[in-house]
Amino acid sequence: AAGVIQSPRHLIKEKRETATLKCYPIPRHDTVYWYQQGPGQDPQFLISFYEKMQSDKGSIPDRFSAQQFSDYHSELNMSSLELGDSALYFCASSDEGSPLHFGNGTRLTVT
Amino acid sequence: GQQVMQIPQYQHVQEGEDFTTYCNSSTTLSNIQWYKQRPGGHPVFLIQLVKSGEVKKQKRLTFQFGEAKKNSSLHITATQTTDVGTYFCAGHNFNKFYFGSGTKLNVKP
Repeated sequence: AAGVIQSPRHLIKEKRETATLKCYPIPRHDTVYWYQQGPGQDPQFLISFYEKMQSDKGSIPDRFSAQQFSDYHSELNMSSLELGDSALYFCASSDEGSPLHFGNGTRLTVT
Repeated sequence: GQQVMQIPQYQHVQEGEDFTTYCNSSTTLSNIQWYKQRPGGHPVFLIQLVKSGEVKKQKRLTFQFGEAKKNSSLHITATQTTDVGTYFCAGHNFNKFYFGSGTKLNVKP
C-alpha cells in the first residue's frame, strides 16, 4: 500500500538559508499535518491542511510557511534558517480523523 | 490549551519484565491513539481507543481508555528487546492530535 512520501530524506543548510520540504500524502487522505521533532522530544505540531486549505496552526514560526497544492502534495518552506531549526520534520496524513500515517521524515541540519 | 501528559519519560527494564506508560489529558477526548517510534524511525500507529472504559489487546500489549475518556495506559507483558522504542499517546479532538511527550523504553537482554 502507498505510504506518505517525504523528500528529501536529509538536508544540510547553513544559517540564514532557505529550505523546502515536500510531502506526498496517501491518496484520498483529506488532511495533511506537519510536525517538528527535536532530539528526544515528542512531535510538535506545526500546521495542517484539510482539502488544500489551511485548517490549523500550531507552533510554526513566522519564518516558515506551508501550502497544499491541487495534486494534494504539500510543501513546508523555511526561511532565515537558525541552528535551532535542526530537527526531524515529519509529514503525516489522515482521512476524516483516522489514525495518522507518518512519512519517514526529513532530517534537517542547520550549520 | 489542551494538554496530554505522559509518564514516565524513560523506563529501563530487564527483558521479561513488564512495562506500563500512562497518559492523562486535561480535557475529554474523542479518542486516543498510541504510536511507537523506533530509534531513527517515524511514529507508527499501534491502536485507537474510542469508547469509555475500552480495553484492547495486541499480543503482549494491553491498552486501556479511562471511563472519563481523559486517561489511557499501555501495558506490555514480558518485554522483549524488540519492544525498544518510544511510545507516544495522542489524544484526538476535532481533527487535532495532541501528543504526549512519549516514554522511551529500553530493554536489557
